[in-house]
Amino acid sequence: QVQVVESGGGVVQPGRSLRLSCAASGFTFSLYAMHWVRQAPGKGLEWVAVISYEGYTKYYADSVKGRFTISRDNSKNTLYLEMDSLRTEDTAVYHCAKDWGGPYTLKLIDSWGQGTLVTVSS
Amino acid sequence: DIQMTQSPSSVSASVGDRVTITCRASQDITSWLAWYQQIPGTAPKLLIYAASSLQSGVPSRFSGSGSGTDFTLTINSLQPEDFATYYCQQTDSFPLTFGGGTKVEIK
Repeated sequence: QVQVVESGGGVVQPGRSLRLSCAASGFTFSLYAMHWVRQAPGKGLEWVAVISYEGYTKYYADSVKGRFTISRDNSKNTLYLEMDSLRTEDTAVYHCAKDWGGPYTLKLIDSWGQGTLVTVSS
Repeated sequence: DIQMTQSPSSVSASVGDRVTITCRASQDITSWLAWYQQIPGTAPKLLIYAASSLQSGVPSRFSGSGSGTDFTLTINSLQPEDFATYYCQQTDSFPLTFGGGTKVEIK
Protein backbone atom coordinates (compact mmCIF):
# COMPACT_ATOMS: atom_id res chain seq x y z
CA GLN A 1 0.00 0.00 0.00
CA VAL A 2 1.47 3.30 -1.12
CA GLN A 3 2.11 5.69 1.73
CA VAL A 4 3.73 9.13 1.70
CA VAL A 5 4.02 11.14 4.91
CA GLU A 6 5.06 14.77 4.94
CA SER A 7 6.81 16.58 7.79
CA GLY A 8 8.61 19.82 8.48
CA GLY A 9 5.79 22.31 8.26
CA GLY A 10 5.29 25.11 10.76
CA VAL A 11 5.20 28.85 11.22
CA VAL A 12 8.00 30.86 9.62
CA GLN A 13 8.63 34.55 9.09
CA PRO A 14 8.65 36.09 5.60
CA GLY A 15 12.07 35.89 3.98
CA ARG A 16 13.14 32.85 6.00
CA SER A 17 13.67 29.27 4.87
CA LEU A 18 12.08 25.92 5.62
CA ARG A 19 12.71 22.35 4.48
CA LEU A 20 9.91 19.84 4.04
CA SER A 21 10.45 16.09 3.97
CA CYS A 22 8.33 13.26 2.65
CA ALA A 23 8.89 9.65 3.73
CA ALA A 24 7.68 7.10 1.20
CA SER A 25 6.81 3.44 1.66
CA GLY A 26 4.80 0.68 0.03
CA PHE A 27 6.37 1.10 -3.42
CA THR A 28 9.81 1.16 -5.03
CA PHE A 29 10.56 4.84 -4.46
CA SER A 30 13.61 4.94 -6.72
CA LEU A 31 11.52 4.00 -9.77
CA TYR A 32 9.02 6.88 -9.64
CA ALA A 33 9.05 10.61 -10.16
CA MET A 34 7.66 12.59 -7.23
CA HIS A 35 5.73 15.86 -6.94
CA TRP A 36 4.92 18.61 -4.48
CA VAL A 37 1.47 20.20 -4.73
CA ARG A 38 0.15 22.89 -2.39
CA GLN A 39 -3.26 24.12 -1.31
CA ALA A 40 -3.74 27.50 0.32
CA PRO A 41 -6.38 27.58 3.08
CA GLY A 42 -9.83 27.30 1.50
CA LYS A 43 -8.38 27.38 -2.02
CA GLY A 44 -7.71 24.96 -4.86
CA LEU A 45 -4.71 22.84 -5.80
CA GLU A 46 -1.50 24.36 -7.16
CA TRP A 47 1.26 22.18 -8.56
CA VAL A 48 4.69 23.21 -7.20
CA ALA A 49 7.43 20.94 -8.54
CA VAL A 50 8.36 17.49 -9.86
CA ILE A 51 11.59 15.49 -9.82
CA SER A 52 12.41 12.48 -11.99
CA TYR A 53 13.04 9.06 -10.49
CA GLU A 54 16.85 9.46 -10.51
CA GLY A 55 16.76 13.13 -9.56
CA TYR A 56 18.24 14.56 -12.75
CA THR A 57 15.15 16.26 -14.19
CA LYS A 58 13.22 18.90 -12.28
CA TYR A 59 10.41 21.27 -13.19
CA TYR A 60 8.92 24.10 -11.13
CA ALA A 61 5.89 26.37 -11.08
CA ASP A 62 6.73 29.93 -12.05
CA SER A 63 5.58 31.14 -8.64
CA VAL A 64 8.37 29.23 -6.85
CA LYS A 65 11.12 29.04 -9.47
CA GLY A 66 14.42 30.30 -8.08
CA ARG A 67 13.18 30.10 -4.47
CA PHE A 68 12.24 26.43 -3.99
CA THR A 69 14.39 23.36 -4.67
CA ILE A 70 13.07 19.82 -4.97
CA SER A 71 15.44 16.94 -4.26
CA ARG A 72 15.38 13.29 -3.24
CA ASP A 73 17.47 10.67 -1.49
CA ASN A 74 16.62 7.27 -2.96
CA SER A 75 18.73 5.49 -0.32
CA LYS A 76 16.38 6.91 2.33
CA ASN A 77 13.13 6.77 0.33
CA THR A 78 12.70 10.47 1.06
CA LEU A 79 11.65 13.50 -0.96
CA TYR A 80 12.51 17.05 0.04
CA LEU A 81 11.40 20.60 -0.69
CA GLU A 82 13.79 23.35 0.30
CA MET A 83 11.89 26.64 0.47
CA ASP A 84 13.84 29.91 0.58
CA SER A 85 12.76 33.56 0.61
CA LEU A 86 9.32 32.55 1.81
CA ARG A 87 6.40 34.89 1.21
CA THR A 88 3.01 35.18 2.88
CA GLU A 89 1.43 33.83 -0.31
CA ASP A 90 3.36 30.56 0.18
CA THR A 91 1.11 29.75 3.14
CA ALA A 92 -0.51 26.42 2.29
CA VAL A 93 -0.77 22.73 3.00
CA TYR A 94 2.03 21.08 1.03
CA HIS A 95 1.25 17.61 -0.32
CA CYS A 96 3.88 15.11 -1.38
CA ALA A 97 2.64 12.96 -4.25
CA LYS A 98 3.73 9.91 -6.22
CA ASP A 99 3.85 9.99 -10.01
CA TRP A 100 1.81 7.46 -12.02
CA GLY A 101 4.83 6.62 -14.14
CA GLY A 102 4.88 4.86 -17.47
CA PRO A 103 3.73 6.99 -20.44
CA TYR A 104 2.57 9.72 -18.05
CA THR A 105 5.82 10.02 -16.16
CA LEU A 106 6.44 13.42 -14.57
CA LYS A 107 2.91 14.63 -15.33
CA LEU A 108 0.29 12.45 -13.63
CA ILE A 109 -0.15 11.97 -9.88
CA ASP A 110 -1.71 8.75 -8.58
CA SER A 111 -1.17 8.93 -4.80
CA TRP A 112 -1.11 11.85 -2.40
CA GLY A 113 -0.08 12.44 1.19
CA GLN A 114 -2.24 14.29 3.71
CA GLY A 115 0.10 17.24 3.65
CA THR A 116 1.95 19.47 6.09
CA LEU A 117 0.89 23.05 6.82
CA VAL A 118 3.33 25.89 6.19
CA THR A 119 2.32 29.28 7.56
CA VAL A 120 4.38 32.29 6.53
CA SER A 121 3.64 35.15 8.88
CA SER A 122 5.43 37.81 10.86
CA ASP B 1 0.87 28.35 -19.35
CA ILE B 2 -2.28 26.36 -20.00
CA GLN B 3 -5.28 27.70 -18.08
CA MET B 4 -7.92 25.23 -16.89
CA THR B 5 -11.43 26.53 -16.29
CA GLN B 6 -14.03 24.45 -14.50
CA SER B 7 -17.77 24.98 -14.36
CA PRO B 8 -19.82 25.19 -12.36
CA SER B 9 -17.86 26.19 -9.26
CA SER B 10 -20.45 24.42 -7.16
CA VAL B 11 -23.49 22.24 -7.73
CA SER B 12 -26.23 21.02 -5.39
CA ALA B 13 -27.50 17.53 -6.03
CA SER B 14 -29.34 14.67 -4.37
CA VAL B 15 -28.36 11.05 -3.87
CA GLY B 16 -29.17 9.21 -7.09
CA ASP B 17 -28.76 12.25 -9.36
CA ARG B 18 -26.47 12.47 -12.34
CA VAL B 19 -23.89 15.26 -12.06
CA THR B 20 -21.84 16.68 -14.92
CA ILE B 21 -18.77 18.87 -14.45
CA THR B 22 -17.03 20.66 -17.30
CA CYS B 23 -13.38 21.56 -17.73
CA ARG B 24 -12.01 23.74 -20.51
CA ALA B 25 -8.35 24.13 -21.44
CA SER B 26 -6.98 27.36 -22.89
CA GLN B 27 -5.30 25.37 -25.70
CA ASP B 28 -5.50 21.93 -27.26
CA ILE B 29 -4.31 19.25 -24.82
CA THR B 30 -5.61 16.28 -26.88
CA SER B 31 -6.49 13.76 -24.14
CA TRP B 32 -3.93 14.80 -21.55
CA LEU B 33 -6.40 15.38 -18.75
CA ALA B 34 -6.96 13.94 -15.29
CA TRP B 35 -9.75 14.28 -12.72
CA TYR B 36 -9.30 14.17 -8.94
CA GLN B 37 -11.72 13.99 -6.02
CA GLN B 38 -11.00 15.66 -2.69
CA ILE B 39 -13.14 15.00 0.34
CA PRO B 40 -12.68 17.75 2.97
CA GLY B 41 -9.78 17.05 5.28
CA THR B 42 -8.35 14.29 3.12
CA ALA B 43 -5.81 13.96 0.32
CA PRO B 44 -6.98 14.18 -3.30
CA LYS B 45 -7.70 10.91 -5.10
CA LEU B 46 -7.13 10.17 -8.79
CA LEU B 47 -10.35 9.21 -10.56
CA ILE B 48 -9.74 9.52 -14.31
CA TYR B 49 -6.64 9.90 -16.48
CA ALA B 50 -6.14 10.30 -20.22
CA ALA B 51 -9.54 12.04 -20.25
CA SER B 52 -11.57 8.83 -20.06
CA SER B 53 -9.54 6.03 -18.42
CA LEU B 54 -10.86 4.96 -15.03
CA GLN B 55 -8.19 4.60 -12.34
CA SER B 56 -8.08 1.17 -10.73
CA GLY B 57 -10.53 0.83 -7.86
CA VAL B 58 -12.70 3.80 -8.84
CA PRO B 59 -16.41 2.97 -9.13
CA SER B 60 -17.81 2.73 -12.65
CA ARG B 61 -20.40 5.46 -11.94
CA PHE B 62 -17.55 7.89 -12.63
CA SER B 63 -16.75 8.54 -16.28
CA GLY B 64 -14.79 11.07 -18.27
CA SER B 65 -15.04 12.25 -21.84
CA GLY B 66 -13.75 14.88 -24.21
CA SER B 67 -10.64 15.83 -26.16
CA GLY B 68 -8.91 18.93 -27.39
CA THR B 69 -10.08 21.73 -25.13
CA ASP B 70 -13.41 20.54 -23.70
CA PHE B 71 -13.81 17.77 -21.15
CA THR B 72 -16.52 16.38 -18.92
CA LEU B 73 -16.65 14.38 -15.70
CA THR B 74 -19.95 12.59 -15.14
CA ILE B 75 -21.07 10.96 -11.92
CA ASN B 76 -24.02 8.64 -12.46
CA SER B 77 -26.30 7.88 -9.52
CA LEU B 78 -24.58 10.12 -6.98
CA GLN B 79 -23.74 8.37 -3.72
CA PRO B 80 -23.31 9.95 -0.24
CA GLU B 81 -19.55 9.43 -0.39
CA ASP B 82 -19.35 11.42 -3.65
CA PHE B 83 -20.02 14.76 -2.01
CA ALA B 84 -16.62 16.37 -2.44
CA THR B 85 -14.66 18.84 -4.54
CA TYR B 86 -13.50 17.75 -7.99
CA TYR B 87 -10.49 19.11 -9.87
CA CYS B 88 -9.31 18.68 -13.42
CA GLN B 89 -5.60 18.84 -14.26
CA GLN B 90 -3.83 19.04 -17.58
CA THR B 91 -1.01 16.54 -18.02
CA ASP B 92 0.11 17.95 -21.36
CA SER B 93 2.91 20.35 -20.52
CA PHE B 94 4.77 22.18 -17.77
CA PRO B 95 3.83 23.89 -15.59
CA LEU B 96 1.11 21.42 -14.70
CA THR B 97 -2.12 23.27 -13.94
CA PHE B 98 -5.39 22.50 -12.17
CA GLY B 99 -8.87 23.82 -12.62
CA GLY B 100 -10.36 25.88 -9.82
CA GLY B 101 -12.49 23.02 -8.53
CA THR B 102 -16.17 22.12 -8.45
CA LYS B 103 -17.82 21.48 -5.11
CA VAL B 104 -20.62 18.91 -5.19
CA GLU B 105 -22.96 19.64 -2.30
CA ILE B 106 -25.97 17.92 -0.86
CA LYS B 107 -29.28 19.45 -1.93
